Amino acid sequence: GAVVSQHPSRVICKSGTSVKIECRSLDFQATTMFWYRQFPKQSLMLMATSNEGSKATYEQGVEKDKFLINHASLTLSTLTVTSAHPEDSSFYICSASLREGTDTQYFGPGTRLTVL
Amino acid sequence: QKEVEQDPGPLSVPEGAIVSLNCTYSNSAFQYFMWYRQYSRKGPELLMYTYSSGNKEDGRFTAQVDKSSKYISLFIRDSQPSDSATYLCAMGPGNQFYFGTGTSLTVIP
Repeated sequence: GAVVSQHPSRVICKSGTSVKIECRSLDFQATTMFWYRQFPKQSLMLMATSNEGSKATYEQGVEKDKFLINHASLTLSTLTVTSAHPEDSSFYICSASLREGTDTQYFGPGTRLTVL
Repeated sequence: QKEVEQDPGPLSVPEGAIVSLNCTYSNSAFQYFMWYRQYSRKGPELLMYTYSSGNKEDGRFTAQVDKSSKYISLFIRDSQPSDSATYLCAMGPGNQFYFGTGTSLTVIP
């Protein structure tokens, strides 16, 4: 149980385009979903926390107009990288929690974004 | 000071060895402690989840939490080449979790 999927697993795009990444909880309803980015040999950096039906809470330094997060249902959250630039190239990982706060997080397999 | 400190390694051990991975933290409010395993280019996979102090065992893996020392450990017995991965500790008070930088482990056949 507690499987989280992400799509696509890998995307290459041109600078200036927008990219949408989907995160789905396959066998449970996720009250809270999290979006992280990870640079090579570095730990996860939390970008934002989203609760179904409400606006995402962004971490300091993360531009909410650039990284649009939509958590439309209890099983789906999307991250859209708008007007992507090469510095946005990274590994983006989502996670989902069964309940708010105290529950553990289950991670998706990640999406490798390369912006040319 | 970082919330969570973890030695990045790399750590290299022969097959069959006992591996000890550790993290320290500074916030005494942390109650929830997790260990994740992450293979290259994959998302983290939950290995162990512990609430408060004590030990938890699952197969070849044992997680220990010492809240008095603010120190957590993950032990891997009879290590296998398939255990080669990056191991991340994560912890928090419940409403937010903080991750270590990960320790890279290689088990040599």
